Amino acid sequence: DAKTTQPNSMESNEEEPVHLPCNHSTISGTDYIHWYRQLPSQGPEYVIHGLTSNVNNRMASLAIAEDRKSSTLILHRATLRDAAVYYCILRGSYEKLTFGTGTRLTIIP
Amino acid sequence: ETGVTQTPRHLVMGMTNKKSLKCEQHLGHNAMYWYKQSAKKPLELMFVYNFKEQTENNSVPSRFSPECPNSSHLFLHLHTLQPEDSALYLCASSQDQGTRGYTFGSGTRLTVV
Repeated sequence: DAKTTQPNSMESNEEEPVHLPCNHSTISGTDYIHWYRQLPSQGPEYVIHGLTSNVNNRMASLAIAEDRKSSTLILHRATLRDAAVYYCILRGSYEKLTFGTGTRLTIIP
Repeated sequence: ETGVTQTPRHLVMGMTNKKSLKCEQHLGHNAMYWYKQSAKKPLELMFVYNFKEQTENNSVPSRFSPECPNSSHLFLHLHTLQPEDSALYLCASSQDQGTRGYTFGSGTRLTVV
């Protein structure tokens, strides 16, 4: 399985943008980049996914490097409710979702 | 509410007990999953069901027995568990096993005493 590397933890101020990095230097051409987050006492929640082009949705934006060896999840304006563990996951078609340890994001009021 | 409902939310059981965890989804999804999340460890995939058929068992001990009577319901039957089985058990579903996202329930917090 292709691996991802994320910082263990990050802090950000409330109402400021947050850039969560993910390195995946061994990504294959058919791997999609998925992001999930897990709020305290809840199951993981799908955030966004992409293959090559940058993606935007109501929750976040995903910026994918041209060589696809890294990506960044962007929360445009962090709120206290965005405090969670964020997981960057590579997943090929019809492959199972395999979680790593993620990045614990703390939002400072 | 995510559309995937797990009951009970909390469960305490003795090592000689038999209990069952229930998962229900009305999202029209065809694939369902059991994950285990132990303290300070990544989520571990336990079982995968696709159209009610088990397609994956990740070397899970036989004291965990899954059941999928239809595409909307998934059970995890527990018997003679060990204290190290204490964890958060999460159910998820997806439209299929392709690239679409998974929808997770809130989990059952299991404590084995």
